Amino acid sequence: GAVVSQHPSRVICKSGTSVKIECRSLDFQATTMFWYRQFPKKSLMLMATSNEGSKATYEQGVEKDKFLINHASLTLSTLTVTSAHPEDSSFYICSAMTSGYTDTQYFGPGTRLTVL
Amino acid sequence: QKEVEQNSGPLSVPEGAIASLNCTYSDRGSQSFFWYRQYSGKSPELIMFIYSNGDKEDGRFTAQLNKASQYVSLLIRDSQPSDSATYLCAVTVGGATNKLIFGTGTLLAVQP
Repeated sequence: GAVVSQHPSRVICKSGTSVKIECRSLDFQATTMFWYRQFPKKSLMLMATSNEGSKATYEQGVEKDKFLINHASLTLSTLTVTSAHPEDSSFYICSAMTSGYTDTQYFGPGTRLTVL
Repeated sequence: QKEVEQNSGPLSVPEGAIASLNCTYSDRGSQSFFWYRQYSGKSPELIMFIYSNGDKEDGRFTAQLNKASQYVSLLIRDSQPSDSATYLCAVTVGGATNKLIFGTGTLLAVQP
C-alpha cells in the first residue's frame, strides 16, 4: 500500500518552455501533497504544500507564479514549472499523505528536469 | 531557524556490523520523527517513524528517540551491502502543520 507515482520520470526541455509534472496516489486518497526539489548532494527542500480543493501554500522564496500547483482531486496533484530556465534543473519529488492518525509522507519516484 | 543536523559521512561499516546513524533537531515542538533511505538518483523510501521516547524496532532496524536531548538515531543490525545509501532524518515542524524538515543525510557504505 501507499504507492505514489510521478510522471514523467525524466524530462528535457528548452529554456522558456513550461513543464507539467503529475503526482498520483495510487492506492489511497491523499488529503495533502507536498512538492520538494533536491539539488545534487543536497537535502530535500520543501517547495509547497497542497490540499485538495484549495490553493497551495508556498515556502518562503518559492515563486508561486513560476511553480504552479494544482490539487484537483484526492489522488492527483500537478506541478507546472513555467518559463523554465537552466537554474530550474533539479530533481522534483512529490509526496502524499492521507488523513488519519499518522502524518507519514510517502514519496513518488521523482522527476528529473533538465532545462537546456 | 528550525534545523535538523546529521553527520554527512561517509560512515563505513563492515558487512554484518551494526551501523549507527544519528540526528539532532532544534525544534522542541517536533512530534514525529522519520528515517528515510535514499539510493543515488532515487527518491526517499520510508524506513521507520517514531513518536514516543525510547526504542522502536522493526526487523533489523531500531529507531531511538530522546526528546529531552532532541536526538533521534537509527541502528541497522547485520548491515548488508544493499543497505549502502544515504539515510535522511526528518522531523515534523512543531505546531499544527504536517511539514517535514529534512537533514542533509548520512551516507552509509557497507563494505563486503
